[in-house]
Amino acid sequence: AQSVSQHNHHVILSEAASLELGCNYSYGGTVNLFWYVQYPGQHLQLLLKYFSGDPLVKGIKGFEAEFIKSKFSFNLRKPSVQWSDTAEYFCAVDNQGGKLIFGQGTELSVKP
Amino acid sequence: GAGVSQTPSNKVTEKGKYVELRCDPISGHTALYWYRQSLGQGPEFLIYFQGTGAADDSGLPNDRFFAVRPEGSVSTLKIQRTERGDSAVYLCASRPSGGSYEQYFGPGTRLTVT
Repeated sequence: AQSVSQHNHHVILSEAASLELGCNYSYGGTVNLFWYVQYPGQHLQLLLKYFSGDPLVKGIKGFEAEFIKSKFSFNLRKPSVQWSDTAEYFCAVDNQGGKLIFGQGTELSVKP
Repeated sequence: GAGVSQTPSNKVTEKGKYVELRCDPISGHTALYWYRQSLGQGPEFLIYFQGTGAADDSGLPNDRFFAVRPEGSVSTLKIQRTERGDSAVYLCASRPSGGSYEQYFGPGTRLTVT
């Protein structure tokens, strides 16, 4: 069965620190990969996505992620976080059109 | 344009009661998904509609859960004989037809079973 694993449950950073959130998935076929973000009191929003092509994808608000097929990983990065990045981040995978399988989420707290 | 809407935003019910949760997808989106999110967890898939039919209902936990989408737009998730373990946020998402696999999520319905 497909599964998604996020390595960190809670990350605390100071403003301007660099961020990397780990995500690994298990599925042998072709997948689409996503990072969703949920700001406090808001609904899930798409941060970035990978379908095919360049494995380094850029999303909104300066986030990027790199798909490494050999490692089944899709880690999220941001060079310099801001207080407004405080949110919960979810990695997700689908097998092209069907259901999304989510990781358990990483709560990011950024101290001003 | 309008996003995915869900009603009610909060629902408190007693154990054993029946509840209905409604989802209004983005206009024109053919695919509609229901997920359930428990505290501290990521969303968990329940059921997926393509048009009016359920394309995948493998995530429904048992036969107390049922969902319909009779006209291919609005969907209702129905839970019979609710249990305290059903307490969670129920999320709805929709996706347009074609090559985009991005799902757009609603704000969710927080269900509390007392």
